[in-house]
Amino acid sequence: AQKVTQAQTEISVVEKEDVTLDCVYETRDTTYYLFWYKQPPSGELVFLIRRNSFDEQNEISGRYSWNFQKSTSSFNFTITASQVVDSAVYFCALSEVIQGAQKLVFGQGTRLTINP
Amino acid sequence: NAGVMQNPRHLVRRRGQEARLRCSPMKGHSHVYWYRQLPEEGLKFMVYLQKENIIDESGMPKERFSAEFPKEGPSILRIQQVVRGDSAAYFCASSPRLAEETQYFGPGTRLLVL
Repeated sequence: AQKVTQAQTEISVVEKEDVTLDCVYETRDTTYYLFWYKQPPSGELVFLIRRNSFDEQNEISGRYSWNFQKSTSSFNFTITASQVVDSAVYFCALSEVIQGAQKLVFGQGTRLTINP
Repeated sequence: NAGVMQNPRHLVRRRGQEARLRCSPMKGHSHVYWYRQLPEEGLKFMVYLQKENIIDESGMPKERFSAEFPKEGPSILRIQQVVRGDSAAYFCASSPRLAEETQYFGPGTRLLVL
């Protein structure tokens, strides 16, 4: 069965610090997708990124960057120069495709608090 | 370009009542997924539907829960005879096609059972 582990339950940093959120996954599939979603205090889920298992290039989008390493089954997320608005719960997810149905398997989430 | 819409955003029910949660997918999306988020937990898959078809309901409790996605109108997640343990946030997501597509989530419906 597929599994996603986000070992950091809560992280608290001071504004402008860099912070990395860890995500480790387990799967027997050779083709899969990894995702990060953000859940701000207002409660909605905001899509951040999707990564294909064949594409190990790191991705950067503004202050956000993602490091995908198949060798360690990790897909870590770094926020550079954090801001108070980055405070949220962040979920890593892995897609599981069974008989044409794509289910997302989510980690438990990491609650990130950025203090001014 | 409207995103996934869910209503109501908040729903309060007493034990034994019925709860109906609605989801309108993004325009052009024909696949709908429902997930449940219990307090302080990640999201868990419940059911995957296409128009007029339930494709996978392996995550749905066997009793009291049902889902539909009719030809016209929104997808409905129905919970009969609610119990306190049903209190959770229920999220709907939609995607345009199958496995490779990103699922975009609605704002969720927060169900509170008194």
